[in-house]
Amino acid sequence: GAVVSQHPSRVICKSGTSVKIECRSLDFQATTMFWYRQFPKKSLMLMATSNEGSKATYEQGVEKDKFLINHASLTLSTLTVTSAHPEDSSFYICSARQGVGAAYEQYFGPGTRLTVT
Amino acid sequence: RKEVEQDPGPFNVPEGATVAFNCTYSNSASQSFFWYRQDCRKEPKLLMSVYSSGNEDGRFTAQLNRASQYISLLIRDSKLSDSATYLCVVNIGGGADGLTFGKGTHLIIQP
Repeated sequence: GAVVSQHPSRVICKSGTSVKIECRSLDFQATTMFWYRQFPKKSLMLMATSNEGSKATYEQGVEKDKFLINHASLTLSTLTVTSAHPEDSSFYICSARQGVGAAYEQYFGPGTRLTVT
Repeated sequence: RKEVEQDPGPFNVPEGATVAFNCTYSNSASQSFFWYRQDCRKEPKLLMSVYSSGNEDGRFTAQLNRASQYISLLIRDSKLSDSATYLCVVNIGGGADGLTFGKGTHLIIQP
């Protein structure tokens, strides 16, 4: 089956620093990757859609200058949380999709738990 | 109105019982529907897609009612390992391919 990895699985950083999270599709090429976040007891919320080689599309209310997304290859997308603050503490999960279109399954990474102190 | 609504529960159900969840979605243009399962502090995992004709996978049966915009999940002969949060998920398709998640229904199977 399709496997998506994320690194790191857990990170604690100080307020004001930047954190980079990697999302990799290990055994398939992902034309599209998605970034979600989940606050405690809340639903997963889509942050942005990332297509390989083009700029990410951000959801309303998500600051593109704060959450930098790079999708340089068909197997790797990165999310950088710049100048992190405690309110950015959350569970960040990526997903990768093999094909184009809503019917294709999205495979989720194991998530990255970010704590900003 | 929330895009995908679910009863958060928790549903406390004895082992072996049958349990059903419903979910409603607001966007009539939604194209794809799924049930995901999420264990505590883990990523969601696809349980099953939901088709208009209804579909079954072992003890799990999913139904879609497009006219009423609701989706259901039925779990028969529940096991202790079924304890989890069940997420109703919708994809409106087109240019917006990200998934829209409900908050989830928390299920606890009791021995």
